[in-house]
Amino acid sequence: GAVVSQHPSRVICKSGTSVKIECRSLDFQATTMFWYRQFPKKSLMLMATSNEGSKATYEQGVEKDKFLINHASLTLSTLTVTSAHPEDSSFYICSASEMGGADTQYFGPGTRLTVL
Amino acid sequence: RKEVEQDPGPFNVPEGATVAFNCTYSNSASQSFFWYRQDCRKEPKLLMSVYSSGNEDGRFTAQLNRASQYISLLIRDSKLSDSATYLCAVKEVGGSEKLVFGKGTKLTVNP
Repeated sequence: GAVVSQHPSRVICKSGTSVKIECRSLDFQATTMFWYRQFPKKSLMLMATSNEGSKATYEQGVEKDKFLINHASLTLSTLTVTSAHPEDSSFYICSASEMGGADTQYFGPGTRLTVL
Repeated sequence: RKEVEQDPGPFNVPEGATVAFNCTYSNSASQSFFWYRQDCRKEPKLLMSVYSSGNEDGRFTAQLNRASQYISLLIRDSKLSDSATYLCAVKEVGGSEKLVFGKGTKLTVNP
């Protein structure tokens, strides 16, 4: 149990385009999902906390208009990187905690974004 | 002081060795602690939660020292497959469920 999926696993796009990444909890409901970014050989950096039915909470320094988060249901959150630039190239990972369950976070397999 | 700090590593050990990682946290009110393992270009996977009384899972032992605000992970009889980056994580208090990660310690187990 406690499986989180992400789609796509890898995306290459041109500078200026927008990219949407989906995060799904497959066998549990999650009122809260988290979006992280990880640059090569660096630690996970929390970007935002995604709350079902309400606005996301962004970490300091993360542009909310650049990284649009939508959490429309208890099993789906999306991150859209708008007008992507090469510096947005990174590994984006989501995680989710089971609603009413233990406080363990389960991670999706990540999405590797390369902006040309 | 950073919220969560880990041994910088890297650690290079021979097979069969015992290796220990430490991680300190700055928020004394933190309640939940975890060790994750991350393989190269993969997502973190939960290795084990850390309980107040300490806990063991096979070759892995996790301990919590609240007074000194650190958690540790001990790996006994290390295997080649233990090679990975080990991340400690601390959950913030206050209901946000936000996890704060250390930078990770890279372990390489050599034959």
